[in-house]
Amino acid sequence: QVQLVQSGTEVKRPGASVRVSCKASGNPFNNYFIHWVRQAPGQAPGQGLEWIGTINPNTGTTRVAQMLQDRVTLPRDMSTNTMYMEVSSLRPDDTAVYYCALEAAGTYFLHYWGQGALVTVSS
Amino acid sequence: QSALTQPASVSGSPGQSITISCTGSSSDIGNSNHVSWYQQHPGKVPKVVIYDVNTRPLGVSDHFSGSKSGNTASLTITGLQAEDEADYYCKSYTVTKTYVFGTGTKVTVL
Repeated sequence: QVQLVQSGTEVKRPGASVRVSCKASGNPFNNYFIHWVRQAPGQAPGQGLEWIGTINPNTGTTRVAQMLQDRVTLPRDMSTNTMYMEVSSLRPDDTAVYYCALEAAGTYFLHYWGQGALVTVSS
Repeated sequence: QSALTQPASVSGSPGQSITISCTGSSSDIGNSNHVSWYQQHPGKVPKVVIYDVNTRPLGVSDHFSGSKSGNTASLTITGLQAEDEADYYCKSYTVTKTYVFGTGTKVTVL
């Protein structure tokens, strides 16, 4: 059974950076992509899901939503099967639960999800 | 890329059928067969119920079905059950090889 385990809660000041990790275990598919999705806290669906980006762990190729391209990077450490999401120049409206999720390559949907990591940006 | 447009809420009585629409553009739904739908119960992570417009993953009830016409995709729940009460989000692959989610719909079982 595939498992995605994420790092814990973060509290950051505006202007700071944050790094969230996502470790895959349990024999992920041979070829898979890791996606990052965020959801602002509160009463959904007013706080809906927002797609941030994706990485092919085997090649390191990434795609990031245009609105976040200048602030988000998606590095990886294949020795530990761990993906990271880094967001710089944090703003209060970046406050959200950040999820990683796994797509079996070429299926275009998210099979497995991490438990989420709350990032709070506040002065 | 703007979020896909969904109604904020849809409700129905047990046993009834409801349909949730998801409207995009020719940059996403209109030119993609990779539309998926996710169900999210309060405090839980999302779960896929439909992918590739109308395909159900293994283990998902057959009272969920999907369709697409032009720039609009739809999720239909037939025989509404109490456990279907949740938030539902559509998601589409786009022409720029990114993804976009819908605004979300709260389904209430009366």
